Amino acid sequence: QKEVEQDPGPLSVPEGAIVSLNCTYSNSAFQYFMWYRQYSRKGPELLMYTYSSGNKEDGRFTAQVDKSSKYISLFIRDSQPSDSATYLCAMSAISGGYNKLIFGAGTRLAVHP
Amino acid sequence: DTEVTQTPKHLVMGMTNKKSLKCEQHMGHRAMYWYKQKAKKPPELMFVYSYEKLSINESVPSRFSPECPNSSLLNLHLHALQPEDSALYLCASSQDQSKTQYFGPGTRLLVL
Repeated sequence: QKEVEQDPGPLSVPEGAIVSLNCTYSNSAFQYFMWYRQYSRKGPELLMYTYSSGNKEDGRFTAQVDKSSKYISLFIRDSQPSDSATYLCAMSAISGGYNKLIFGAGTRLAVHP
Repeated sequence: DTEVTQTPKHLVMGMTNKKSLKCEQHMGHRAMYWYKQKAKKPPELMFVYSYEKLSINESVPSRFSPECPNSSLLNLHLHALQPEDSALYLCASSQDQSKTQYFGPGTRLLVL
């Protein structure tokens, strides 16, 4: 079993839809939870970062963490074609002073006009 | 400013060539990282530098040789690579090893 599971998609939605992206994890030591967005042939861009259970909102994006269920989500409201990208969840725990990122497989999202 | 820059953007090299990838950040970050990413896969950690010292080597073959000349620069020297080493090479930095990582745009490497 992988430490972090993420459905690779692809996920195709119409413009304006609400998108829900999800990851589950098995390591209860994970403390930090991130979502990165990666456009084709570009580096990952940090979208959201949280370290506690609950919701965190930034514009059209909401990150949700449920540590009791070991489940994190990213919601995108009013999705736009420019949101078409691969979304990588990542999580980490500090061990020996080092915060190693464990990535999910990434979900490819296509938002069509 | 959360910018990490990488040069070159693209690189094509033969298996007998020697080349170097360069990464730079001016955010005062003291931890820098090299990752390798194959198509449709997540990034895989290769090396971590903390305060200009190599702190983690994820069992990377010796044909990849990292170097950290100063706190803003990170190089990856390449020698005798194989075609399977073709990938997107990503640099990242963070305030220190325990903080959030910010990625550069990557160098797309093709080994012929």
